[in-house]
Amino acid sequence: EAQVTQNPRYLITVTGKKLTVTCSQNMNHEYMSWYRQDPGLGLRQIYYSMNVEVTDKGDVPEGYKVSRKEKRNFPLILESPSPNQTSLYFCASSNRVRNTEAFFGQGTRLTVV
Amino acid sequence: SQQGEEDPQALSIQEGENATMNCSYKTSINNLQWYRQNSGRGLVHLILIRSNEREKHSGRLRVTLDTSKKSSSLLITASRAADTASYFCATDVNNRLAFGKGNQVVVIP
Repeated sequence: EAQVTQNPRYLITVTGKKLTVTCSQNMNHEYMSWYRQDPGLGLRQIYYSMNVEVTDKGDVPEGYKVSRKEKRNFPLILESPSPNQTSLYFCASSNRVRNTEAFFGQGTRLTVV
Repeated sequence: SQQGEEDPQALSIQEGENATMNCSYKTSINNLQWYRQNSGRGLVHLILIRSNEREKHSGRLRVTLDTSKKSSSLLITASRAADTASYFCATDVNNRLAFGKGNQVVVIP
């Protein structure tokens, strides 16, 4: 089954404790991205990657890091989480060559206290 | 920066009625897409319309695109309770997919 898998689904952490949210897709997609969703603000792109070892900032990259060492994986790293990073995070992938739709993971609800 | 902006923001309708949502955008696009999100879950792709298309249908969905007005509309015909969700438009510009703030649609049985 074609899917994007994020882990964990829920996470409560403390300010300053480094964390990683993993994202993996099994569709051989070149393009992957991370979004955060906040009430009243819709989805905002954090980072995106057009292929292995190619990453670029989205609209709200501050406080986040990403890496794309393999095509299937695109982890999101919060080196020193802060309460304003409490949000619902989504990973998405798509085949950019054919300019088609994005497939989304089920989301990670992160709370930073 | 936010690209797509949906209007209206919230819509409540009776089952069987049609629901129409509009989306406006600011820059030239490659395509425009509509997604559905059920209660904080992952977004699901509904339909994609390319910049050289004016109308597209998929089941009970009808999407129009007016590039001269930089706007799109999504029509859901004969709505069902299961259509209750948030609907987002997204514009594909410069290798990035930018989403609007979304429309909350409630279909009352």
